[in-house]
Parts: sequence; C-alpha cells; structure tokens
Amino acid sequence: QKEVEQDPGPLSVPEGAIVSLNCTYSNSAFQYFMWYRQYSRKGPELLMYTYSSGNKEDGRFTAQVDKSSKYISLFIRDSQPSDSATYLCAMTRAGNMLTFGGGTRLMVKP
Amino acid sequence: EADIYQTPRYLVIGTGKKITLECSQTMGHDKMYWYQQDPGMELHLIHYSYGVNSTEKGDLSSESTVSRIRTEHFPLTLESARPSHTSQYLCASSDPGGLGEKLFFGSGTQLSVL
Repeated sequence: QKEVEQDPGPLSVPEGAIVSLNCTYSNSAFQYFMWYRQYSRKGPELLMYTYSSGNKEDGRFTAQVDKSSKYISLFIRDSQPSDSATYLCAMTRAGNMLTFGGGTRLMVKP
Repeated sequence: EADIYQTPRYLVIGTGKKITLECSQTMGHDKMYWYQQDPGMELHLIHYSYGVNSTEKGDLSSESTVSRIRTEHFPLTLESARPSHTSQYLCASSDPGGLGEKLFFGSGTQLSVL
C-alpha cells in the first residue's frame, strides 16, 4: 500500500463550482503538507504549503489538514477553466524528502 | 529572476544515441532532484543531490547517470537511449528555508526515443 493515496479522477465540474480534492496518508510522522498544480506537459508548481493541522487560505484556494484522520484537502472556490490541471498532494517530515500522491486530474468546463 | 531551467523542452532521438538533459537553477539551492513521469502517471524520483560532488539514486531504478560539479547545474545523461526511456524528465531544486522542504520544478524535457 502506498504511503499517500489520491484518487486519480478525472474530476469534471462546471465553471463556478466548489471543488474538493483529497489525499489520505498512512505515516503519522508527516508534518508538512503541500499541494502542487501541474498543467499538461509542464512541471508541477507549488500552490499551498501548510504545517501540521488546520486551515490555510490563499485567494480561492483553501488547504485543510486533519492529522487525526490522516486526511488533507484542497478546496477551490469559484472554479475556472484555467484551474483544469492535475493536482498533486505532497507531504514530509522535517529533514526528509517529499512523498507525492499520484495526482488528481481536474477538468473545469465552461 | 530566480528560476530553474531545463533544456531541451522536447527531444526526439534514435535508439543508441547518447543524450544529456540539462538543468540549471539560479536560486542557490543545494538540493536538486530528477523525477521521471509518464503521461497521467505519478512522479518517480530517479536521482538526487545534496550539493556539489554529491549524487544518489532515487526510488526508481534508472539507467541514467547524473553529475553535480557546480551548485547550479545538475545534468542527466543516458549513454545509450532506448524506447523504454521515452518519458517526461523533471528537474527540481528545494528551498532550504524551514524544515519541510519546498520543491521548485523546471518545465521538464519530453524525451521520445524511436
């Protein structure tokens, strides 16, 4: 079983919808949680970075971490066609390399 | 502007050729990485480096080799390309600030071996 599980999708939503993307993990030592966005044939770009549990908001994006459930989420409000991409969660503990999820492909239709 | 650059963006080459994928970063990061990613698939770490003259193999076995002679430069070499090497290769470097490293990726090299 993988350390980080992520539904590959694709997830198709209409423009303006609220999107919820999720990852579950098994290693309780993970402390730092990230979301990357990857457009087709491009490198991933860091979208959100959080430490430990709680919420972090940045514009239309909210990252949520529930360490007790080993579950993290990324919410996208008022989704736009330009949000269509693959979203990868990633996590680590201090001094270690990142462990990536497999990515969820999101399609936002006009 | 601080960034990470990969060249070429696309490479189509015949079997048996030697190729070098270039990666340079201007952010002064010590840690650099190479990932391999097939379309729609997850990232696989193939090489990493913690600094000059440091190179390590990643989780995924690869026939490629890397070198780190300068902090900013981390090229990947395939001595004899094969069709099984067809993939996207992504270079990354990490921000040393804080305890949870943040990776910054280049745009990738799409390699096709015929």
